[in-house]
Amino acid sequence: DVKVTQSSRYLVKRTGEKVFLECVQDMDHENMFWYRQDPGLGLRLIYFSYDVKMKEKGDIPEGYSVSREKKERFSLILESASTNQTSMYLCASSSGVTHETQYFGPGTRLLVL
Amino acid sequence: SQKIEQNSEALNIQEGKTATLTCNYTNYSPAYLQWYRQDPGRGPVFLLLIRENEKEKRKERLKVTFDTTLKQSLFHITASQPADSATYLCALALSSNTGKLIFGQGTTLQVKP
Repeated sequence: DVKVTQSSRYLVKRTGEKVFLECVQDMDHENMFWYRQDPGLGLRLIYFSYDVKMKEKGDIPEGYSVSREKKERFSLILESASTNQTSMYLCASSSGVTHETQYFGPGTRLLVL
Repeated sequence: SQKIEQNSEALNIQEGKTATLTCNYTNYSPAYLQWYRQDPGRGPVFLLLIRENEKEKRKERLKVTFDTTLKQSLFHITASQPADSATYLCALALSSNTGKLIFGQGTTLQVKP
């Protein structure tokens, strides 16, 4: 079974703090994605990566950066957290061969005070 | 403008009935469409994929149709059970070689015993 794990289920941070969200997948997938999910807005893509050290902006990259130094790990960084970044953050991965099914982690619920 | 719309109102049905969820899109030409299930506090889980040249796909009690003329997909759960209660997300893939998906905001299904 594909497993996607995220470093924290719940996180509380203060405005201005630097926040790291980590995601690890164990299926040797090429593609990895970071989304945020807000009520009424659905899943919105922040950044994605097709390969190690490769990254592309999604629909809402402002205020975020990412890092992919190893194939299995994709990190989302909030350089200076703001209250409007309070959200559920979901990581996903998919095979570079089929590209089709995305496997999601359990999510990190982030509260920025 | 480009939009994916799912019924934002919750769908409440009686156990044993067929649930039908709708996904409409505008100004997209998807290569394929997927349906995911999401339980509260968890990441989405892939259910079914249907390609642009397919009209219908089935998996056990699930059936998906895809009408590229109407720009609509219908997701059916037959003989519904309380365990089917969840939020269901549709997702479009604009090309078959990137793995990037665009998600609808989801429809919550409640199956009452």
